[in-house]
Amino acid sequence: DSGVTQTPKHLITATGQRVTLRCSPRSGDLSVYWYQQSLDQGLQFLIQYYNGEERAKGNILERFSAQQFPDLHSELNLSSLELGDSALYFCASSLDGNTIYFGEGSWLTVV
Amino acid sequence: AQKITQTQPGMFVQEKEAVTLDCTYDTSDPSYGLFWYKQPSSGEMIFLIYQGSYDQQNATEGRYSLNFQKARKSANLVISASQLGDSAMYFCAMREVFSGGYNKLIFGAGTRLAVHP
Repeated sequence: DSGVTQTPKHLITATGQRVTLRCSPRSGDLSVYWYQQSLDQGLQFLIQYYNGEERAKGNILERFSAQQFPDLHSELNLSSLELGDSALYFCASSLDGNTIYFGEGSWLTVV
Repeated sequence: AQKITQTQPGMFVQEKEAVTLDCTYDTSDPSYGLFWYKQPSSGEMIFLIYQGSYDQQNATEGRYSLNFQKARKSANLVISASQLGDSAMYFCAMREVFSGGYNKLIFGAGTRLAVHP
C-alpha cells in the first residue's frame, strides 16, 4: 500500500460526458502529480500541484483540469470525453521529489 | 530534452536467478533522480528504488539494486533471486527538475519481465 488513495478504481462513461477523479496523497506529502497511461502513448505527465498551487503542466488537454484543495487532496476533471481518453489515470504524491509514490490508478473507459 | 531509454521490450529469467533490466538516460542537468517502478498486471505502479545523481553509492532495497554508472548514463535495475511474483512490467523514470522547484517524472517505454519456474 503506497498510501496514495485514488477513487474511483474503475468507471465507464459515454462520450461527451464529464468525470472527476479523486486523489488523496500520502500523509505529509505536499506535491500531487497526475499521469495518464494509455497503450499508444505510454505514461504521460499531465500536471503537478504543490501545496495547492499549480507548479507544472505537461500534456494536459484543455478539456482536462485539476485542482488541489487546502486539505491537499486533488481532483482531475475530464470533460467532453472522447474514446481516446480511455486510459489508466494515476495520481502520485511526494514530499521531496526523491520518493514519488503512485496510487492504484483509476481505469477510465469511454464508450 | 531529457530522455529515458529501455531497450529490452521483454525479458525472461529462471526463478531464483538474478536479472538485469537496462535503462539509459540523457540529460544535461547536473542534478537529477532516477527511479524504477514495477507495474503488475493489476495495474498499480509500485515504487522500487531511487538513485540521486550525487549519491556516491548504488541504491539498494532488499532484492533490488540500482547499478548506477554516471559516465555511461545508465541506471540498470538488478533483481536478485527472482521470484514468480516479480513477473511484471518495469519502468525506469527520471525526474526532470524545473526552476521554481517543480518537477516531473519522464518514463521509459518499460520492460516486461517474465519469471519462469
